[in-house]
Amino acid sequence: AQKITQTQPGMFVQEKEAVTLDCTYDTSDPSYGLFWYKQPSSGEMIFLIYQGSYDQQNATEGRYSLNFQKARKSANLVISASQLGDSAMYFCAMREPGNQFYFGTGTSLTVIP
Amino acid sequence: DTGVSQDPRHKITKRGQNVTFRCDPISEHNRLYWYRQTLGQGPEFLTYFQNEAQLEKSRLLSDRFSAERPKGSFSTLEIQRTEQGDSAMYLCASSLAPGQGMNQPQHFGDGTRLSIL
Repeated sequence: AQKITQTQPGMFVQEKEAVTLDCTYDTSDPSYGLFWYKQPSSGEMIFLIYQGSYDQQNATEGRYSLNFQKARKSANLVISASQLGDSAMYFCAMREPGNQFYFGTGTSLTVIP
Repeated sequence: DTGVSQDPRHKITKRGQNVTFRCDPISEHNRLYWYRQTLGQGPEFLTYFQNEAQLEKSRLLSDRFSAERPKGSFSTLEIQRTEQGDSAMYLCASSLAPGQGMNQPQHFGDGTRLSIL
């Protein structure tokens, strides 16, 4: 089974609007970490936000927030007030103790002026 | 510290040649990872090290691929007898081990883009 599933290959959002990028994960370990990365066309992977499995509150970092629904095993990224510079690939990733990181296949976000 | 650095940024070579890439992680990071990424896909795990020990290697990884981290600092990834299908971006990342905090993200280098002619 896939450890990380991102079902949206591509998404479009109007500038200044909010957008949600979906991510579901699969693990039987009670301790894990969830990460979102942004990869612009230039290629570098940029860390955006982290959510721990024991965290009681949803993580927020500026315009990024993570909608963490543990029972559903989902960790959706919400970008508020989209900007043209947000156009990029977005990857969800999970880390289990002692193990590697697992990445999803990504969602391509295009912000429309 | 300036982050994870990879060298070279681009490599063009003929099929059948050997290539070697270098990665210098963030100095205090004890974990180092190698990934391969093709266009439109997420990073595909290849292998990772904790200090100088190679802890895991992808089952999908051909015997033509080998990685080392001899002193627990920089790492090299070698591909022998390159094939057309090896054309990809090779990413290196480093992090602290989970025991030092599950919230430690991986920090990526800019990658080495390999093109096989």
